[in-house]
Formats: sequence, C-alpha cells, structure tokens
Amino acid sequence: EDKVVQSPLSLVVHEGDTVTLNCSYEVTNFRSLLWYKQEKKAPTFLFMLTSSGIEKKSGRLSSILDKKELFSILNITATQTGDSAVYLCALTHGSNYKLTFGKGTLLTVNP
Amino acid sequence: NAGVTQTPKFQVLKTGQSMTLQCAQDMNHEYMSWYRQDPGMGLRLIHYSVGAGITDQGEVPNGYNVSRSTTEDFPLRLLSAAPSQTSVYFCASSFRMGTEAFFGQGTRLTVV
Repeated sequence: EDKVVQSPLSLVVHEGDTVTLNCSYEVTNFRSLLWYKQEKKAPTFLFMLTSSGIEKKSGRLSSILDKKELFSILNITATQTGDSAVYLCALTHGSNYKLTFGKGTLLTVNP
Repeated sequence: NAGVTQTPKFQVLKTGQSMTLQCAQDMNHEYMSWYRQDPGMGLRLIHYSVGAGITDQGEVPNGYNVSRSTTEDFPLRLLSAAPSQTSVYFCASSFRMGTEAFFGQGTRLTVV
C-alpha cells in the first residue's frame, strides 16, 4: 500500500527558530515529491523534487530529497509568524501519476 | 487570472439528496483531480482525469461520480449524500502529470 508519512504532526516554535519537517514514503513507481503550504484555504505550491541530493531553495525555505532512504525534509530558517500553516508533502507515483498526500505538519510560530 | 474555480463555496445537503460540485480551469491543463480533506486525514484522492474522456478512481471513490467531457471542466457528483461525506472538497489541475497542482478554493459541504 502506498504511504506518505509526515512528522511531526504538529510543532510549536518561537519566531527566529529553525524548523525541520520530515516526509517519508513508500510508493510504487515514484515520479516526484511536492511540498505545499496550506493556510486557511487551498494548498499553495512550494517545491517539486525529482532528484536525490539537489537542494531546492526559496528565501528561508529549502528542501531536499533522498531517494535511497525514501524521505524528504523541508527546512525553514528564521521562522516568522506568517510561516504558521499546515505543510503538506505529496508524492506523484504510478503509471497515471497519482498524487498522494501525507496528513501534514501543523506549524505554529509564536511571536 | 481565474486559475481553478470551484462552486459553490458552501453547501448544506440533506441525507439522500444529490448534487454536483463544479470545477473549471482556464489553464488548458490536462490533469484534473478531486480531493476531500477531513481533520487528521490529510487530502485524499477521490477521482482524477488525465484528459478529456478519461477518468479513474482514487483512494476514496465510493459515493462519487465524475466525467470529463471537456478539458476545462471536471464536475464531481454526489449520488445520494450521506453524513460521512461532510468534508471540504478541493479540485486541482496540473499542466501535465507529475507537475505542480493548482488548487481551487474549496467547497465546504455539510450533510445533515
């Protein structure tokens, strides 16, 4: 059975802290791994990763994929209250590129 | 810049009623999908389509039908609503399979 497991499920930090969110997976015929941020409404896209060891970076956010150990991490440095959200990891896999989501990590950044 | 448009935003149904959630995209995307989001369960795939005339089941398809007669539209039909279908529903589209999915703003459905 295809699985996408995120940890921790929730996290509370103070502004300025650095956080690392984890996503491990077991899927058939991996295609890509995507990270999304979800605030009140629809998820918004952060990164797509297809190759191991290549870091994707956008401002204070970065992500990397390890296809041998089947996991990805999302790092956020110098956190701000605006980073408070649910962070979702998703895999596309299989012949029809199904998109399977993890349950998400709820990040709360306190001032 | 409409992107992915879902209607309605909110809906209350009585058990046994049927309805259609509408989803339209104006980006000429081939790949469209429907998800439901429940507390603690993440986003679960209901049905998806890899192009006009082609649909397939996702993880939780029971109680839902879809069709894809045009590239732009991908409606989701609830055949006989049940309280277990109370959820937030998201439609998404991608330019091609495996790439970034763009989401609509969601439909909050309550079945009483």
